[in-house]
Amino acid sequence: KQEVTQIPAALSVPEGENLVLNCSFTDSAIYNLQWFRQDPGKGLTSLLLIQSSQREQTSGRLNASLDKSSGRSTLYIAASQPGDSATYLCAVLPINNAGNMLTFGGGTRLMVKP
Amino acid sequence: DAGVIQSPRHEVTEMGQEVTLRCKPISGHDYLFWYRQTMMRGLELLIYFNNNVPIDDSGMPEDRFSAKMPNASFSTLKIQPSEPRDSAVYFCASSFGGSQPQHFGDGTRLSIL
Repeated sequence: KQEVTQIPAALSVPEGENLVLNCSFTDSAIYNLQWFRQDPGKGLTSLLLIQSSQREQTSGRLNASLDKSSGRSTLYIAASQPGDSATYLCAVLPINNAGNMLTFGGGTRLMVKP
Repeated sequence: DAGVIQSPRHEVTEMGQEVTLRCKPISGHDYLFWYRQTMMRGLELLIYFNNNVPIDDSGMPEDRFSAKMPNASFSTLKIQPSEPRDSAVYFCASSFGGSQPQHFGDGTRLSIL
């Protein structure tokens, strides 16, 4: 059974710092990996999707990497801002692509202090 | 464009009562998902539909939970009878295709007293 782990569970940084969030998964047979953002009282918003054949995806100040063989992904946030404060979740889709059934990590709660 | 719409946003009710949560997916999306989020267990998939047909309900906790999708623009998740341990935030999500990003609603915060 696929298990997804995110470390740390919480992170507090001063504004302007570059930071890395980590995601690990136990079964490397994945179709894709996604990073989501969740604001308090809101649903999840998809940030980046990396296909299993890709090594990274970039969107603005966000860069997500994927090392499928080692079961790891990182989300890099450059020049962090207070507006980046949220919970970040990663999720993997199995290679048999069973109807978009994602397995989620527990999330990293990020606080960026002004 | 309207996103996934869930109602109600908040529900407080007493143990034993029937609870019905509603979801309107994004128009044109053919997959619909119901999730439950708690501090202890994180985000769990309860059930998902493809083209209005339930495909996998292995995440539904027990027979007290049921979900329907009578048409492409509406789904319900029902709990009867409700128990305090059902208290959680319930999310609905939809996607176009089986491997595309899911779009989430803002959830229903359910409290069972």
